[in-house]
Amino acid sequence: NAGVTQTPKFQVLKTGQSMTLQCAQDMNHNSMYWYRQDPGMGLRLIYYSASEGTTDKGEVPNGYNVSRLNKREFSLRLESAAPSQTSVYFCASKSGRNTDTQYFGPGTRLTVL
Amino acid sequence: DQQVKQNSPSLSVQEGRISILNCDYTNSMFDYFLWYKKYPAEGPTFLISISSIKDKNEDGRFTVFLNKSAKHLSLHIVPSQPGDSAVYFCAAPIDVKLIFGTGTRLQVFP
Repeated sequence: NAGVTQTPKFQVLKTGQSMTLQCAQDMNHNSMYWYRQDPGMGLRLIYYSASEGTTDKGEVPNGYNVSRLNKREFSLRLESAAPSQTSVYFCASKSGRNTDTQYFGPGTRLTVL
Repeated sequence: DQQVKQNSPSLSVQEGRISILNCDYTNSMFDYFLWYKKYPAEGPTFLISISSIKDKNEDGRFTVFLNKSAKHLSLHIVPSQPGDSAVYFCAAPIDVKLIFGTGTRLQVFP
């Protein structure tokens, strides 16, 4: 059981470049999430998918798109990266009930120059 | 509008003493709270939770207290150990989402 996996672990982009962050979970969870963590800002929700086939905006969705490819996989795309998107990105998943625990991946550290 | 607030960005405690991390919330609809712990270069991991029908939940060295009238919860770690040094986030669920506080960095020194 790998839990939640993310690729890549590190990435450096130039302003304007695009990339996709990949996330997969093997816990048969219904809901998946993308967060970013910035100093002093805590964990802010970018997008989430409550169940396969649905996606919704979180607190800070601008500049990002997501795809819930299937129940296991949830990707985050930056179409035209900006320095303000330099951050650590975490993917998470949970089973479905409100009180269920979210399980997090190890994170992707992204730097946009 | 920050619904979950952790007003202390950092806390330094001597090994063996008690660590108290605080969290305030503004939404009276919250009925469940969680604490997560995060080490550098790792994802957050679940630590302990509490339902609003309780005012205390204990798990080993970790106890969470909830004061609904004050909209305040606290995490007590007794005794504190160097391995407890991490960032601690409190969180509350709304629908399928979690609302996180900004975190408190705990440093436990020998």
